Order: sequence, then structure tokens, then C-alpha cells
Amino acid sequence: ETGVTQTPRHLVMGMTNKKSLKCEQHLGHNAMYWYKQSAKKPLELMFVYNFKEQTENNSVPSRFSPECPNSSHLFLHLHTLQPEDSALYLCASSQDPDRGGTQYFGPGTRLTVL
Amino acid sequence: AQKVTQAQTEISVVEKEDVTLDCVYETRDTTYYLFWYKQPPSGELVFLIRRNSFDEQNEISGRYSWNFQKSTSSFNFTITASQVVDSAVYFCALSDLNTNAGKSTFGDGTTLTVKP
Repeated sequence: ETGVTQTPRHLVMGMTNKKSLKCEQHLGHNAMYWYKQSAKKPLELMFVYNFKEQTENNSVPSRFSPECPNSSHLFLHLHTLQPEDSALYLCASSQDPDRGGTQYFGPGTRLTVL
Repeated sequence: AQKVTQAQTEISVVEKEDVTLDCVYETRDTTYYLFWYKQPPSGELVFLIRRNSFDEQNEISGRYSWNFQKSTSSFNFTITASQVVDSAVYFCALSDLNTNAGKSTFGDGTTLTVKP
């Protein structure tokens, strides 16, 4: 596998379900990101991890819970979501974000909350 | 504050036309990076170019070219002889190193439609 991979690619869940999104990067980067992209809205940065430490939490509701066990893996745990949380969730990774490292994106998970 | 403005929400051209996507940025830092990404219908953002604030040389890569002008805080992207496969949403992004510790700010994107 190369680049940044995300699973699942599509997810439909009810408001009472618990699910997790997974991201894996094979680029040797030290930083990973979660973005939310809703229809007709700009990219919203949700979380940033640098060397497994969370460095950014952009006022994200607690129903979204990130986990970064190591620099190659990033999870987004979801519980009791709302229909307005339906969106494309994009993962990215970069090297040396504090020196302008380029972010490389995964293909995204298209989430639908019923 | 860090800000990126892509004033063109949607652009539609006919194949083989040239098209320029505008990007204007704001930052108080003197050291920063600018990026362009392409997002085809499949959803994945594809990195196109990275430019640092000390390098104002324009760049050409095949049918793509970028015009960086610090005097007007602009980093415009031109596609020459557009093709249907160029249809996508294009994002401009800014990462300034001192104020925002490298956190990137994305513009709202420009949706380009190239018709055959």
C-alpha cells in the first residue's frame, strides 16, 4: 500500500450507532489530520496530531473522538452522531508541519447519518 | 490572521480554452507556503504544487502554470488548453509558520467544469 489509505470508503449509520473511521499513512510522516468536508462548504480542520500528540482540536463536538496510537495510524471514533454530521471525512498526513510540509490526503470516507 | 480567498466559486469553459483560477491570501508572516490541490469527483485531494514565500519564480508543469506575486498577495493557477479531465474542485491553501505553527488554511475552492 502506498500513500494515505482510509477505511471504510462509505459508511451509513444510525444516530445511536458507534463506528470508527481508520486512516493509515505509508509515507513516514509525523503528523496526521482529520478534516470534514460537507456539501457546499469549505474544508474544516478537525484534529491535528504531531508525533502522536494532539496539537489541534478545532472546537469539535465530543461525539467525535480521535485516537492516534502511532504516527502511522489515526482513528476517528463516532458515537451518537447527528444527520448534519453527514459529510466526507478526509485524513491527511505531512512531514514537519511546522516547516510547511505538504499534506497528502486519503480518498476519504463518505459518511451518511440517518 | 491567516486567510485564503478564492473568489470564483464556479467556472465553466469549453475544452481547449485556457482558464485561470484566482487565489488571494492574507498573512502577517514573512515565511509561509502556498499550495494548490485538485479534488476530482472521486473525492481525494491531489497535491499539485507547493511554493515558499521566498521564491517568486513562476512555475510551469505541462499544461499547468502558477503565477506567484507577493505584491498583490496572489497565487493564481492557469490551465492551458483545458481538457474534460481537468473538471474538478481546485483548492488553494496557505501555511504560515510563525503565527499558526504550520496549520494550513484552505480557500473555499473553485469548481471547474470543462465541457467537450
